[in-house]
Amino acid sequence: AQSVSQHNHHVILSEAASLELGCNYSYGGTVNLFWYVQYPGQHLQLLLKYFSGDPLVKGIKGFEAEFIKSKFSFNLRKPSVQWSDTAEYFCAVNAGSNTGKLIFGQGTTLQVKP
Amino acid sequence: DTAVSQTPKYLVTQMGNDKSIKCEQNLGHDTMYWYKQDSKKFLKIMFSYNNKELIINETVPNRFSPKSPDKAHLNLHINSLELGDSAVYFCASSITGRLFFGSGTQLSVL
Repeated sequence: AQSVSQHNHHVILSEAASLELGCNYSYGGTVNLFWYVQYPGQHLQLLLKYFSGDPLVKGIKGFEAEFIKSKFSFNLRKPSVQWSDTAEYFCAVNAGSNTGKLIFGQGTTLQVKP
Repeated sequence: DTAVSQTPKYLVTQMGNDKSIKCEQNLGHDTMYWYKQDSKKFLKIMFSYNNKELIINETVPNRFSPKSPDKAHLNLHINSLELGDSAVYFCASSITGRLFFGSGTQLSVL
């Protein structure tokens, strides 16, 4: 069965610090990978996605993620975080079938101190 | 314009009651979903409908019954509510695997 693991449950950073959130998945076949963000009191929004092609994908708000197939990883990065990046971040995967049945990681709470 | 809208935003009710959550999308997508987010923020799919037809049912108790009157609507009815049903329920629609979520309904069962 597919599963997604996010290593960091709670991350606290100061503004301008660099961010990397880990995400590993278990599935041997073709996958589509996503990072979603949930700002306090809001719905989930797509940050970025990987379907195929360049394994380094750029998303909104300066976020990027790198798909490393050999490591089954899709880590999220941002060189300089802002207070407004405080949110929950979810990594998700589906089995490349174009369905919306996403398997989500348990989420990472990012708190950015001003 | 709200792409995926669900009502109510908050729902507080007693154990044993029956309640419904409504969801509508104006994106023209064929597929809609219900996801449940528990108190630990873990998100899991419950149901998926494609053009009014049930295609995914993830071992959800039969007290939960989704209903799709047309492809723009997917409502969730819950019978005999239990304490463990307290969660945030998200409706979503999708195209080519990308999900668009509603703002969620926070259900509290007392």
